[in-house]
Amino acid sequence: QSVLTQPPSVSGAPGQRVTISCTGSSSNIGADYDVHWYQQLPGTAPKLLIYGNTNRASGVPDRFSGSKSGTSASLAITGLQPEDEADYYCQSYDRSLSGYVFGPGTKVTVL
Amino acid sequence: QLHLRESGPEVVKPSETLSLTCSVSGGYISSPGYYWGWIRQPPGRGLEWIASVDRTGSTYYNPSLESRVTISLDKSNNYLSLRMSSVTATDTAVYYCARRPHGSSSGFDYWGRGTPVNVSS
Repeated sequence: QSVLTQPPSVSGAPGQRVTISCTGSSSNIGADYDVHWYQQLPGTAPKLLIYGNTNRASGVPDRFSGSKSGTSASLAITGLQPEDEADYYCQSYDRSLSGYVFGPGTKVTVL
Repeated sequence: QLHLRESGPEVVKPSETLSLTCSVSGGYISSPGYYWGWIRQPPGRGLEWIASVDRTGSTYYNPSLESRVTISLDKSNNYLSLRMSSVTATDTAVYYCARRPHGSSSGFDYWGRGTPVNVSS
């Protein structure tokens, strides 16, 4: 049971905008710890997508964007592409657990 | 370009100790400003941080695994290691090594391809 919650799945047609939420608490996101996002394509290792809440990692297309407010964060994908079909994980730090925590992951399906 | 490669046994018997190594190329684990860590992913499930270490040898562990886990660096040979004792079937997972720059605004920016471990008799 993760301390960060994400929707199990989201879907959209090519070109549409989808958002993935990551909800935490006052022990992690709400304690002003940064949120990072990872993309995991099938059968591959996770890849850093967004770091420090809003910063795109090197080589990441600008259709990916991150935001954070209060005890939650969001990843938005605008202009959804077939190659965006993957699992997406949020990650932060939890001071009660004294460690890094990941959300359970959200599967993005391109219809 | 930094490259990380995990290696270790694919099968480990219950109650035994799992030993994994992560070979680093294209950079040095002794370089300042980075943590090196292990993260695992059970089949069909999400990611779980296991442990991290920096070049000074300071270690950080997931409290739920701390009693069974040891992380270390071999700076001479440029690799990091993980030992996990008393394994059970719940330790079956793909194990990744990853780097994280210092600073709270940094995520795990480089990952290995992962090595699968099956705990089975």
